[in-house]
Amino acid sequence: AQTVTQSQPEMSVQEAETVTLSCTYDTSESNYYLFWYKQPPSRQMILVIRQEAYKQQNATENRFSVNFQKAAKSFSLKISDSQLGDTAMYFCAFMSFNAGNMLTFGGGTRLMVKP
Amino acid sequence: KAGVTQTPRYLIKTRGQQVTLSCSPISGHRSVSWYQQTPGQGLQFLFEYFSETQRNKGNFPGRFSGRQFSNSRSEMNVSTLELGDSALYLCASSLAPERTEAFFGQGTRLTVV
Repeated sequence: AQTVTQSQPEMSVQEAETVTLSCTYDTSESNYYLFWYKQPPSRQMILVIRQEAYKQQNATENRFSVNFQKAAKSFSLKISDSQLGDTAMYFCAFMSFNAGNMLTFGGGTRLMVKP
Repeated sequence: KAGVTQTPRYLIKTRGQQVTLSCSPISGHRSVSWYQQTPGQGLQFLFEYFSETQRNKGNFPGRFSGRQFSNSRSEMNVSTLELGDSALYLCASSLAPERTEAFFGQGTRLTVV
């Protein structure tokens, strides 16, 4: 069974600054996907970024980028030029190649962007 | 393109009752997954349906069940409700049966009193 751990329950950052959210996972599988989802107060989970484990290049989506360290089983999210709209819960999630579309989530990090 | 629609948005039930929640996936999506979100346990996978068949099931008691219809709409049912079933229930739809992006609905907030 896979486990996903987010060690930072809460974080805060000043608007326009950069923040990094941590995520570690444990799996015996070699093929999988990793995701970061954002859940704003509206409760709807929104995909932020996705990384295929077989790709060495770190994924980037505009202001969001990841640092994927497969050997260390680490998958951190960097948010550059933080905006007030980035205030939300952020969840790291794991999807095995062998389990359909089932996601295993971490406990989440509550991010507050301060003006 | 319409997103994932979950109904109702809010629900209050009494202990011992049963409840049915509905999820309409994005048009063309055939995979539907359900998750339970609570402050104590976080986000937990309930089950996944594809082409009217349950493909995966999480570690929940048999009181939790689901089904998927031929139009890909899905329902989940919880019988003999307990106080601990109070949670946000999220539905996610995916285009293909495996390894594709999950799009989430806004959830149904169930309160058991």
